[in-house]
Amino acid sequence: GAGVSQTPSNKVTEKGKYVELRCDPISGHTALYWYRQSLGQGPEFLIYFQGTGAADDSGLPNDRFFAVRPEGSVSTLKIQRTERGDSAVYLCASSSTGADTGELFFGEGSRLTVL
Amino acid sequence: AQSVTQLDSQVPVFEEAPVELRCNYSSSVSVYLFWYVQYPNQGLQLLLKYLSGSTLVKGINGFEAEFNKSQTSFHLRKPSVHISDTAEYFCAVRTPGAGSYQLTFGKGTKLSVIP
Repeated sequence: GAGVSQTPSNKVTEKGKYVELRCDPISGHTALYWYRQSLGQGPEFLIYFQGTGAADDSGLPNDRFFAVRPEGSVSTLKIQRTERGDSAVYLCASSSTGADTGELFFGEGSRLTVL
Repeated sequence: AQSVTQLDSQVPVFEEAPVELRCNYSSSVSVYLFWYVQYPNQGLQLLLKYLSGSTLVKGINGFEAEFNKSQTSFHLRKPSVHISDTAEYFCAVRTPGAGSYQLTFGKGTKLSVIP
């Protein structure tokens, strides 16, 4: 597809369960970002990949959160032992190499609800 | 550390009236500044950006913003709004050359255009 694709669009889970959220970036974009947007807040940075490696994971809130991008394209955000406070919209964005201009292309997000 | 303050959480305005959405930032170093827009059920998209040079920047859909270093502001303006401008607008900041391309967002301003 032409844009950033995120699946699932909605996920409802129970407290303590494991969740995976998938992001398929724009073809050819080497930079990939995960952000989290809680109700009434702006997006908050979680992690940034350049290629296959996590160049900056300083935004991950704790060790229950982990993300991978094994082939430098699709990325998966993994949340273990989910808590009600993890409920939010998880946004993925991508950008081209050398785009030091902040133009990120965002997906529509995955809305996670933890009951 | 840097932060972004969007002073108004909601702004109602009549169609064809002018609008200004306010954004102030805090940073000890020079910054890049951005406005993103999120239409209902869509991902965030870049409206305009300030990197350097002219302090008045023009974006898509007739929007413009002015960078004021002394006021640490980057207010967004449009002289005449349309119903289709109803959306949530986010101001964001990034430190150039920080290596991560991480954006810090404000909490957003919901613009409602009234027919």
